[in-house]
Amino acid sequence: AQSVTQLDSQVPVFEEAPVELRCNYSSSVSVYLFWYVQYPNQGLQLLLKYLSGSTLVKGINGFEAEFNKSQTSFHLRKPSVHISDTAEYFCAVSEPQGGSEKLVFGKGTKLTVNP
Amino acid sequence: EPEVTQTPSHQVTQMGQEVILRCVPISNHLYFYWYRQILGQKVEFLVSFYNNEISEKSEIFDDQFSVERPDGSNFTLKIRSTKLEDSAMYFCASSKGNRVDTQYFGPGTRLTVL
Repeated sequence: AQSVTQLDSQVPVFEEAPVELRCNYSSSVSVYLFWYVQYPNQGLQLLLKYLSGSTLVKGINGFEAEFNKSQTSFHLRKPSVHISDTAEYFCAVSEPQGGSEKLVFGKGTKLTVNP
Repeated sequence: EPEVTQTPSHQVTQMGQEVILRCVPISNHLYFYWYRQILGQKVEFLVSFYNNEISEKSEIFDDQFSVERPDGSNFTLKIRSTKLEDSAMYFCASSKGNRVDTQYFGPGTRLTVL
């Protein structure tokens, strides 16, 4: 069964600094990978997703992620963060080949951007 | 922009009581999902629903749980006899198609079982 590990539960950074949120997954088959963001009192919003093709995926709000099959990773990056990026970020995986539609999530990383 | 809505935002109930959590998916979506997040833990899949029947469910989704699409707009999750361990944030999601299509999530209902 697939699983997702987000090693960092909290990441504090200063405004305009770069940030990387780490995500590793385990699966025996091909996967689709996702990053969702949750702002306070809101639902989960899709930032970006990897289905196939180019391993570098660009998403909304200047975020990007790189799929690395050999390291089973899908780290999220942004070169310069804003105060408004303060939120919780969730990495998720699905296994389409098995016919499953479910998303399997990591525990989330709380990003706090300080002035 | 269309969005998934959920009511209520917070539900408090006594152990053993039945609760119904309500969701209004995006109108042209065909696939519906429930997930939950116990405080401090991962978001977990509960069930997916398509064409008026359950297409997939997790081990968590036992006989105490049921889902229904009672009309053309609502999608509900019923817990027949709540337990303390059912306390969690429950998220509804919907998508146009399956697998490759984005799942759009609602803001969640926080269920507290006393």
